[in-house]
Amino acid sequence: GENVEQHPSTLSVQEGDSAVIKCTYSDSASNYFPWYKQELGKRPQLIIDIRSNVGEKKDQRIAVTLNKTAKHFSLHITETQPEDSAVYFCAAGLYGGATNKLIFGTGTLLAVQP
Amino acid sequence: ETGVTQTPRHLVMGMTNKKSLKCEQHLGHNAMYWYKQSAKKPLELMFVYSLEERVENNSVPSRFSPECPNSSHLFLHLHTLQPEDSALYLCASSPGQGVRYGYTFGSGTRLTVV
Repeated sequence: GENVEQHPSTLSVQEGDSAVIKCTYSDSASNYFPWYKQELGKRPQLIIDIRSNVGEKKDQRIAVTLNKTAKHFSLHITETQPEDSAVYFCAAGLYGGATNKLIFGTGTLLAVQP
Repeated sequence: ETGVTQTPRHLVMGMTNKKSLKCEQHLGHNAMYWYKQSAKKPLELMFVYSLEERVENNSVPSRFSPECPNSSHLFLHLHTLQPEDSALYLCASSPGQGVRYGYTFGSGTRLTVV
């Protein structure tokens, strides 16, 4: 079945360093790849997304890259800050398709040490 | 508040009890979803509703019964649950069919089955 693998499961970085989280998806029809941030005790919130017609998208300190051939996509956070500490989930889905589902990865717990 | 409200926030129930989880959104979204979030597992899609019609049931046991009386409300009726059903149950909504614009999640109901 469809699945999304996410690595690493935990990541600890020093404040100011960069963090990279990687995901691999199995369904080659997927063309929409959002990333969600879930702070402790709070709901997941969309932070950035990318569609398969582009290879990279940036929003301030956050960027996402997509390699559709290899079915890989990654989240890059630069100049990390303590408030970036959270669980990050990647997901894959079909943008504009008839189905209404996102398949999520297992999450990465990011800890930014001050 | 992001516009998706879940009640109750916490629920403890015995295996013979019957309870219901409620989700409400006033974002004008047409699609609503139930996800189960367990420790060290990906967010698991349970049910998808589009325009009040169930469009996906992801092999969920019959002890979970969803109901969508209108496009703003979604319920998850629970009966004779097992301890392994203890998890965070997240409701989400999106503007329409497909995953365009991503999901808006509720804060979840933390369910403990004793």
